[in-house]
Amino acid sequence: AQTVTQSQPEMSVQEAETVTLSCTYDTSESDYYLFWYKQPPSRQMILVIRQEAYKQQNATENRFSVNFQKAAKSFSLKISDSQLGDAAMYFCAYRSALNAGGTSYGKLTFGQGTILTVHP
Amino acid sequence: KAGVTQTPRYLIKTRGQQVTLSCSPISGHRSVSWYQQTPGQGLQFLFEYFSETQRNKGNFPGRFSGRQFSNSRSEMNVSTLELGDSALYLCASSPALGDRVGYTFGSGTRLTVV
Repeated sequence: AQTVTQSQPEMSVQEAETVTLSCTYDTSESDYYLFWYKQPPSRQMILVIRQEAYKQQNATENRFSVNFQKAAKSFSLKISDSQLGDAAMYFCAYRSALNAGGTSYGKLTFGQGTILTVHP
Repeated sequence: KAGVTQTPRYLIKTRGQQVTLSCSPISGHRSVSWYQQTPGQGLQFLFEYFSETQRNKGNFPGRFSGRQFSNSRSEMNVSTLELGDSALYLCASSPALGDRVGYTFGSGTRLTVV
């Protein structure tokens, strides 16, 4: 079974500064997807960025980028020019790309989350 | 385009009762997944439906069940509620099974069992 670990329960950053959230995962599969989701107090999980394991290039979405190290099974999220609206709980998630008898579709395995505080 | 809609937003039930939660996916999305979120256990996968069939199930007791209708709307039911079922229940939709783009989540239903 896959596991996802976020070792930082809480992080804080000053507005306009850069912060990096850590995520490691454990899997024996070679093809999979990794995601970062943001959950603000409104409770809705919002997809921030995704990475396909077969792509070596790190994904980037505006101020958000990842450092994907497949061999090390590491998937960190870097937020540049932090804004007050970035304050939220951030979850790293793993999803298999394989169809192991139809049992792997859709299931996201989440880390425990990192609470990000942004100070003005 | 409307997002994933979950109803109700909040629910208070008594131990032993049953509850039904509803999820309307984004128009055109045919896959619906359900997750339970608690402070202690985090986010845990409940099940996924596609074309009215359960395709994948998490490690939850049989008291947790669900279904999907022909219009892709989904319901989940929890029977004989226990205090430990108090949680935020999140629904997520995607265009298809195993879709590469990821899942869009709703705002959840907060269930409190007293």
